[in-house]
Amino acid sequence: DTEVTQTPKHLVMGMTNKKSLKCEQHMGHRAMYWYKQKAKKPPELMFVYSYEKLSINESVPSRFSPECPNSSLLNLHLHALQPEDSALYLCASSQDPQGSWPQHFGDGTRLSIL
Amino acid sequence: KQEVTQIPAALSVPEGENLVLNCSFTDSAIYNLQWFRQDPGKGLTSLLLIQSSQREQTSGRLNASLDKSSGRSTLYIAASQPGDSATYLCAVRLKEEYGNKLVFGAGTILRVKS
Repeated sequence: DTEVTQTPKHLVMGMTNKKSLKCEQHMGHRAMYWYKQKAKKPPELMFVYSYEKLSINESVPSRFSPECPNSSLLNLHLHALQPEDSALYLCASSQDPQGSWPQHFGDGTRLSIL
Repeated sequence: KQEVTQIPAALSVPEGENLVLNCSFTDSAIYNLQWFRQDPGKGLTSLLLIQSSQREQTSGRLNASLDKSSGRSTLYIAASQPGDSATYLCAVRLKEEYGNKLVFGAGTILRVKS
């Protein structure tokens, strides 16, 4: 079982909907990450939170809005998504963003945009 | 720009065979290299992490090596089993001055036949 928990596991939404993805870890990690993975492709980094502050935004469109309410929780708010945004969204965490720590991944949320 | 290449793209072997997966990267300015396993529709499971100062890491039937100067890593799987069937991804962690993020290869799809 993964120590990074993502909910929901599957999400189907229309282009006008607003929804949120949730990620939780209780390992005391201070860096959390959102990745997007299209079918048969490697994960691509979207955002990095370091000590609850956004440190990296990989030029992600504003229809994706990350939020880190506390050190254990990471959200990704979705609004007015496009069909090409359908993908597996992975959350990861690591002990420290500065050091050489491994990243631990959740099982992802499979997102489908109608 | 760091590029990570994995060879072969796919591999099919009979059960019990020893096998080697290859990963190469273009820039040696890395913190570490991490090997992951991904089952279909699932998240990533960390297998081994090799720090830039290390040469190899072992876990059970898995052994990963790193030659930073030549930009290469190998993942050796001994006595392969059908349960090893999955996609194997390698990722390099860039140093902070280069973005401090994971850059993934496209993966090797492994099938172990019983």
